[in-house]
Amino acid sequence: DTAVSQTPKYLVTQMGNDKSIKCEQNLGHDTMYWYKQDSKKFLKIMFSYNNKELIINETVPNRFSPKSPDKAHLNLHINSLELGDSAVYFCASSQYYRQNTEAFFGQGTRLTVV
Amino acid sequence: QKEVEQNSGPLSVPEGAIASLNCTYSDRGSQSFFWYRQYSGKSPELIMSIYSNGDKEDGRFTAQLNKASQYVSLLIRDSQPSDSATYLCAVNMRRGGADGLTFGKGTHLIIQP
Repeated sequence: DTAVSQTPKYLVTQMGNDKSIKCEQNLGHDTMYWYKQDSKKFLKIMFSYNNKELIINETVPNRFSPKSPDKAHLNLHINSLELGDSAVYFCASSQYYRQNTEAFFGQGTRLTVV
Repeated sequence: QKEVEQNSGPLSVPEGAIASLNCTYSDRGSQSFFWYRQYSGKSPELIMSIYSNGDKEDGRFTAQLNKASQYVSLLIRDSQPSDSATYLCAVNMRRGGADGLTFGKGTHLIIQP
């Protein structure tokens, strides 16, 4: 039973389209994250939610909009996709949003914009 | 700019030897430090966490932390070919009112049979 699961695993779409990635965790954690890993494998935080509340919002284009319907789910919607959005997007969760809490990652969504 | 620095490698180590991976970080207020292993095409997998100065051992892995020097390391003893992967150092850093992991760019480790 997967702890942090994302769908879809692969997403190929054309420039200008709008797409969503879904994430669910069954660990009972309060905090969820979205990370982006670019072609150089650099993993960078985008957003964090704690119990449905946005607590971290890094410098990300406003075409990216996260939504957390409950603390077990965090979705990422991307409008007007651009070539530069191609990357692997990882969802993660941790028990708390403070120090000394480990984060666990989903399997990733490889987004390719053509 | 809060950063985590790692040597990207590749670091090549013979099978059975000790692999030593290093990481420095910029935020003196950080309290928790993690090592993740990432195989090609897979997600990061947590292998070690360390919160206090000194050494922490778990099987063949030892994490070392020196907060005064802002330095974290990971030792892998009796290296196996299956240890070949990218190792990501992650540091919990304050962003506004919350903490989030800042990752280094990773060290690509190759264990030579």
